[in-house]
Amino acid sequence: DTGVSQDPRHKITKRGQNVTFRCDPISEHNRLYWYRQTLGQGPEFLTYFQNEAQLEKSRLLSDRFSAERPKGSFSTLEIQRTEQGDSAMYLCASRQTGANSPLHFGNGTRLTVT
Amino acid sequence: DAKTTQPNSMESNEEEPVHLPCNHSTISGTDYIHWYRQLPSQGPEYVIHGLTSNVNNRMASLAIAEDRKSSTLILHRATLRDAAVYYCILMKTSYDKVIFGPGTSLSVIP
Repeated sequence: DTGVSQDPRHKITKRGQNVTFRCDPISEHNRLYWYRQTLGQGPEFLTYFQNEAQLEKSRLLSDRFSAERPKGSFSTLEIQRTEQGDSAMYLCASRQTGANSPLHFGNGTRLTVT
Repeated sequence: DAKTTQPNSMESNEEEPVHLPCNHSTISGTDYIHWYRQLPSQGPEYVIHGLTSNVNNRMASLAIAEDRKSSTLILHRATLRDAAVYYCILMKTSYDKVIFGPGTSLSVIP
């Protein structure tokens, strides 16, 4: 168990550019989550997958955000035409099915949009 | 969305016990209570979880009220490394969108 890994750890981009983040969950976990976190706030739910199926996407998420988990393993989160308000920490978490199973988080990707 | 309520912040002296409360009055019978903590510049870290009975592990204890509408995370001897934001969440069996509130920011005074 190597834990959840996220890449890159930090990303600085100019407004209007596209960015893509990657998350590698714990291998046997079939649930994968994306969260966004700004300073002083708890993680805000963005979307989650069961295997390769995206089961829910937050209504707060604009169409500029898209996530995939093509083979039910790693996942990518893409933000198109970034805005300064997208600056945040993007967290990925995974777990097995069942309310008894805890979430395991990565250490996040810090996005700064200039 | 399943909702929990926690105090915004708490303080504790080092080496003293800390009781972090959480209210979850809308909890359903099959919802699990999970606690996580987050250190600066890190992702949240799992601490403990339970359903009905009190639970102990190497990190903490979880005391669950008899009516399950509240719970308390107990750190038996606070250390400086326990200074973090603590989140109480409900994990549902029927619906898997996991929601975090703002949590409790714990300060530990040397």
